[in-house]
This record gives sequence, C-alpha cells and structure tokens, in this order.
Amino acid sequence: DGGITQSPKYLFRKEGQNVTLSCEQNLNHDAMYWYRQDPGQGLRLIYYSQIVNDFQKGDIAEGYSVSREKKESFPLTVTSAQKNPTAFYLCASRIAGEANEKLFFGSGTQLSVL
Amino acid sequence: QKEVEQDPGPLSVPEGAIVSLNCTYSNSAFQYFMWYRQYSRKGPELLMYTYSSGNKEDGRFTAQVDKSSKYISLFIRDSQPSDSATYLCAMKRDTGRRALTFGSGTRLQVQP
Repeated sequence: DGGITQSPKYLFRKEGQNVTLSCEQNLNHDAMYWYRQDPGQGLRLIYYSQIVNDFQKGDIAEGYSVSREKKESFPLTVTSAQKNPTAFYLCASRIAGEANEKLFFGSGTQLSVL
Repeated sequence: QKEVEQDPGPLSVPEGAIVSLNCTYSNSAFQYFMWYRQYSRKGPELLMYTYSSGNKEDGRFTAQVDKSSKYISLFIRDSQPSDSATYLCAMKRDTGRRALTFGSGTRLQVQP
C-alpha cells in the first residue's frame, strides 16, 4: 500500500524538551511538506523540501527544524524554542512539477504539552 | 489581513440541500485553486482543482473561480451525511513559492 505514514499519532512534550515527528512516504514523491493545524486557523506551512538535502522555511518556521537526507523521509523536530507547540501536525507530499498540485497527506500527529 | 479568508462555520444543512462554500483572497498572483475535504483528525484529501478562472464539475461537486472578484466557491448538490467534514480552500502562485496557502476551513454538517 502506497502512502504517507506519520508517527506517533499522539505525542507529549515536557518543558524544555525537543521532540521529533516522523514522516515517511513510499510514493516516490520528490516534494514533502510540514503543516501545522490549530483550531480555526487552517493549515500553516512550517517547512518544505523539493529535493533531497534541500529545504525552505515556510510561514512559521521559528522553533522548528527539519532534515531531508533521504527521499522517503522528512522528520520534523519541535525544539524547546517553540513556546506554543500544541497543535495537529500534518505531513504531505507531491510529485514535483505535476500540474494538478495534488498533495497527499498523512494522518497527522497530535502534539500536546505536559 | 490573511491572504485567504474562509468562514469557519459551522454550516448545518438538511440532507439533500445544495451547499455553497466560499473563499476570498487578496493576492492576485494566485493561479491554482483547490478544495480539500478533511474528516475529523484525518489528513485532508483533494476534491477539486481549477487553474485560473472558470467552472469545473465532478459528480455532485462544482468549483467556480472568479479571479476578477478574487472569489472562489464550491457547490455540493444533493448533500449527504457523509459530506459532513471540514472543507479547506487552497491556492498557489504561478511562480515563486511552490507551496499552497490554505484557508481556515469551513465545518459542514449535513443532518439526516
């Protein structure tokens, strides 16, 4: 089954702790994205990557970091500098250059602060 | 001011009603327009895609883009309880940043 797998489904962070959210895809997609979803605010772009070993900041990158060492994987680290990390995090991918802009999303990770 | 504005709802309609969902935007550089459907605590899925102005129909769904008014719509005919979800509009520029800008989403409830 092809798709995007996000783990864990639920994650709890203590004060001052860094946590990493996993995103893996077996769709052979070039581009991958991380979005944050808060109630009533829709999806906001954190980081995106068009190719391996390259990524760009989105609209709310402060307090987050990413890496793209493999095509299939795009992990997101929520650092202690992110003061309000509680949100639903969505990873997505697409075929770079495809005209219909179809994003394939994972099932999300709910991050909460203890 | 947000680049994309969308009424959060909730919008409650009886089964069989015609539903109209709308977004307005401020950036005239947007050329690609999409509607995504998101069920509770799941990832969104693409429903409709339109390039530039015009209408597009797919089954019970019709997407309209009016670039002169910076206004897009999604119509759902013969709405079903299974259509109950949050509907997110999304847009992208023709050049520049290769990522979508989403509206805040409208929560729709179709009552049986």
